[in-house]
Amino acid sequence: EVQLVESGGGLVQPGGSLRLSCAASGFTFSSYSMNWVRQAPGKGLEWVSYISSSSSTIYYADSVKGRFTISRDNAKNSLYLQMNSLRDEDTAVYYCARSGDILTGYYPPFDYWGQGTLVTVSS
Amino acid sequence: SYELTQPPSVSVSPGQTASITCSGDKLGDKYACWYQQKPGQSPVLVIYQDSKRPSGIPERFSGSNSGNTATLTISGTQAMDEADYYCQAWDPRGYVFGTGTKVTVL
Repeated sequence: EVQLVESGGGLVQPGGSLRLSCAASGFTFSSYSMNWVRQAPGKGLEWVSYISSSSSTIYYADSVKGRFTISRDNAKNSLYLQMNSLRDEDTAVYYCARSGDILTGYYPPFDYWGQGTLVTVSS
Repeated sequence: SYELTQPPSVSVSPGQTASITCSGDKLGDKYACWYQQKPGQSPVLVIYQDSKRPSGIPERFSGSNSGNTATLTISGTQAMDEADYYCQAWDPRGYVFGTGTKVTVL
């Protein structure tokens, strides 16, 4: 059974940092790309970042570029999101989601999602 | 930036057909997919590559994509289908989600 379990959320002050983790199990982690998606309270879904299976390709949403860093450790079956210079508008539930590697003309959907971890940015 | 626009809400009677649209510039030239999200739960993929259903998704869910509009159709809607639905596509700068549609089964 595919499982994705996020952790690391919590309350942080504006300008602070937080590192999210996503522990994967039930599939060959090193064969899949991974994503972070967030959802502000009562709002819609917002894609945050993508990392390919080998970490060779990384994309960020404009809203987090230069502040967030996605990474993965295939030996530990884990995905990470380092979040710096946090703002009030970064308050959201953060989900990790599995997808395939992006190929020319093919952008895979997110077929499994974790339960999410809440990040609250407030003074 | 690329935008995908959905109607905020759609109401449907049990057993009837619900259609949810997703509009974006030349969306038909891209692959669209759809996610269902029930209150307090994580999203679930219900349609990918415009019209394909993942394993375990009921046949009453179908999709199409042409021109500037992708459509998710729920035939014979059931009370359990009441949820928020989001379309998704790829923009050259990243994945984009639609604004979301709340489906109410009256």
